[in-house]
Formats: sequence, structure tokens, C-alpha cells
Amino acid sequence: RKEVEQDPGPFNVPEGATVAFNCTYSNSASQSFFWYRQDCRKEPKLLMSVYSSGNEDGRFTAQLNRASQYISLLIRDSKLSDSATYLCVVNNPGEDSSYKLIFGSGTRLLVRP
Amino acid sequence: AAGVIQSPRHLIKEKRETATLKCYPIPRHDTVYWYQQGPGQDPQFLISFYEKMQSDKGSIPDRFSAQQFSDYHSELNMSSLELGDSALYFCASSTRGGLTDTQYFGPGTRLTVL
Repeated sequence: RKEVEQDPGPFNVPEGATVAFNCTYSNSASQSFFWYRQDCRKEPKLLMSVYSSGNEDGRFTAQLNRASQYISLLIRDSKLSDSATYLCVVNNPGEDSSYKLIFGSGTRLLVRP
Repeated sequence: AAGVIQSPRHLIKEKRETATLKCYPIPRHDTVYWYQQGPGQDPQFLISFYEKMQSDKGSIPDRFSAQQFSDYHSELNMSSLELGDSALYFCASSTRGGLTDTQYFGPGTRLTVL
């Protein structure tokens, strides 16, 4: 079982739709949480950090439930440019006060005209 | 804003050859991470360095080694290359800032082993 689990999708939605992605993590020691976006053959790019009870950035809202070890990402008013793979990422404590990112397998989003 | 720089962007090697990948972190970032992403897979943590010392180790094969230099750039050295080493190799950097430690990724080096 992976440490970070995501629905792989793909989610195929029309422009303007609202779409939600879910993610669960297994390590209760995970300290911080992120959503990264990755376009095909490109590097992961930070979309949002998720702290405490969650946060909002424009059309994007991320929620964290530590008790359930569950993270979500809501995208409102989807744009064609939102088409990408969305990676749920947790920051786990490693050795020597360092942290390392553990990635989910990603959820693929396709926004159609 | 300056980003993480990786070189080369593409590399083609034969089996059993060696390869060196370079990473230049964002200015004033003191921590460097290396990740490997195979085709259709999520990035896997290999190794990290803080202030030129190895700080954590993940699923890095013994054939690979890495170091961070005094100017904070890092190199990943890969020897006895195998077909399965073909992947995207990402470097990320951050500042050692406690819980946040947001990592920013470079564009990656695409390694193809023939």
C-alpha cells in the first residue's frame, strides 16, 4: 500500500465544471501537505500548500483533515489550462531534522471545451 | 525569479556507462533533493543534502552517489548504468525552514540508457 493514495482518474470534465480530488496518507507523523501540478514530461510545480484546516487560492481550495489523514483539492470553474496531473504530496520527517516529499501517483484531469 | 537549474536537460548513455547530473539550487537555498521519476510513475526520493552534508537517503541504488559542493550546487553520479535507470531525474531545493520546507523543482534531466 502506498503511503499517499490518490484516485488516478482521469477526470474528464467540461470547461466551467467543478472537480474535486481526494487523497489519503498513512503516516500520522506527516507534517505538511501540498498539491503539486505536473504537466506531461515537465517538473512538478507547487500549486498550493495545505496547512491546518486548509486554504483557498482563487479557484482552488485545499482542505486537510488530520484526524482522518485526508486531503482534498477543489477546482472551481475549470479552464482548459487546468488539464494536468495533480500530485498529492506529504512532507515526512526524515533523518537529521530533514524532510522528504512523498508523492501520490497523481490524478489526471482533462478539461474539454 | 531564479529557479532551480539542471544540466544537462537530456542525456543518452549506453549500458554500463557513467553519467553525472548537475543541479544548481535557487539562490540562498541550502537544501537539495534528488528524485527519480520513471515512465508513468510518481517521483521517488533518492537523497538530500543540507549544508553540504547528506541529510537523508531514500531508494538510491549503491551504484549512485551524490554530493553538495561549497556553492550549494549538487551532482548526482551514476555508474554501471542499467536500462531501468532511464527516467526523469529532478532536483529540488528549499531552505531549512522547519515544517514548511517547500521544495521547488528544476526542469529535470531526461536520462535514456540504451
